[in-house]
Amino acid sequence: NAGVTQTPKFQVLKTGQSMTLQCAQDMNHEYMSWYRQDPGMGLRLIHYSVGAGITDQGEVPNGYNVSRSTTEDFPLRLLSAAPSQTSVYFCASSYSKQGRGYTFGSGTRLTVV
Amino acid sequence: KQEVTQIPAALSVPEGENLVLNCSFTDSAIYNLQWFRQDPGKGLTSLLLIQSSQREQTSGRLNASLDKSSGRSTLYIAASQPGDSATYLCAVTGDYGQNFVFGPGTRLSVLP
Repeated sequence: NAGVTQTPKFQVLKTGQSMTLQCAQDMNHEYMSWYRQDPGMGLRLIHYSVGAGITDQGEVPNGYNVSRSTTEDFPLRLLSAAPSQTSVYFCASSYSKQGRGYTFGSGTRLTVV
Repeated sequence: KQEVTQIPAALSVPEGENLVLNCSFTDSAIYNLQWFRQDPGKGLTSLLLIQSSQREQTSGRLNASLDKSSGRSTLYIAASQPGDSATYLCAVTGDYGQNFVFGPGTRLSVLP
């Protein structure tokens, strides 16, 4: 099925470990983004990309890296995991930069101990 | 910095009731506003999108209004059903609509 696929769905990391959250879409969307969702708070933008080779920081980029080598993939890297990065992470893609046609992945629940 | 709030944080109603969810934002210079639905363990689904030049949008039993000058939007759900139980998120975009600023959501329970 067409959509946004996030892997893994669940992950437990130890403090200081690194890992990559995968995000792939098969809709040829130019725009992709990563959000984190914490209890009692709305989703907050981490990084986004307006096309292959182009990325930019969102509201809460510290501790995360991204790259966009292909249209389909937009991985999120945690460089040295910290308990404050315990959260649910959502990837989204869109064919439009004007807020239309957004598709969200089902999320990755990350716990850092 | 744009901030989005939603009231109430949680709401429980009996089936069949009409209800209103509220969203407020601090900066009226928005490109558009969207209402999303989030089911437990799943991603977000867009319900309604209102451009900044529009006053309201309707889809089935859902109606969303926008008063940009006062920084408010409401989501009206008519004849609520248990299947409407979910968290409803409001989000605004600025800068030509690229990125969302989300509210914390309203958790709705519709009791049979």
